[in-house]
Amino acid sequence: DQQVKQNSPSLSVQEGRISILNCDYTNSMFDYFLWYKKYPAEGPTFLISISSIKDKNEDGRFTVFLNKSAKHLSLHIVPSQPGDSAVYFCAARPIAGGTSYGKLTFGQGTILTVHP
Amino acid sequence: KAGVTQTPRYLIKTRGQQVTLSCSPISGHRSVSWYQQTPGQGLQFLFEYFSETQRNKGNFPGRFSGRQFSNSRSEMNVSTLELGDSALYLCASSLAPRTLRNSPLHFGNGTRLTVT
Repeated sequence: DQQVKQNSPSLSVQEGRISILNCDYTNSMFDYFLWYKKYPAEGPTFLISISSIKDKNEDGRFTVFLNKSAKHLSLHIVPSQPGDSAVYFCAARPIAGGTSYGKLTFGQGTILTVHP
Repeated sequence: KAGVTQTPRYLIKTRGQQVTLSCSPISGHRSVSWYQQTPGQGLQFLFEYFSETQRNKGNFPGRFSGRQFSNSRSEMNVSTLELGDSALYLCASSLAPRTLRNSPLHFGNGTRLTVT
């Protein structure tokens, strides 16, 4: 059972335009959501996160939106740059009990290609 | 601040052997988690350590084990290697004190294990 889904395996965008990456989840116990970017042969790099008490979080060109009722989050990149081309993963963490903070459930990833 | 350091970067082993991978977290980070990334299964949670104790475990056989030392450094061990264990093994660390539960995981660049 895939609890975090990224239904678009790939996305192609022109430089300067907006990139919108989507993610759906099924587990209502998730309360903290993250986006990571990954280049080949490297580990995922943390981009931005949002807790369930918010519906939007911005950091420079990156904005994450959370729609709890739809169990949907999205990452907007504006403007997109060729260096943004990478695999993007969304991840979710359930309400933590005790001191367990390290278990994330990841989506399958979306390959973003930004054309010059 | 140095990032998460994983050694070795690449490893080739034969079926039936065992392997030990090492991870040094970001200075001050006390939680260390391990993930396996394969093309078919994506990023899968293996286990998490905090204060030298395993706090959480994913759905992997007992051949996969780990430990954490008093300086927060961690090792994972895979015994009786199988061809299907070929993967990128990623270590991640986070601050993880109770008051900062929404702190992201920061990943190392991984160890690429090939089992022949």
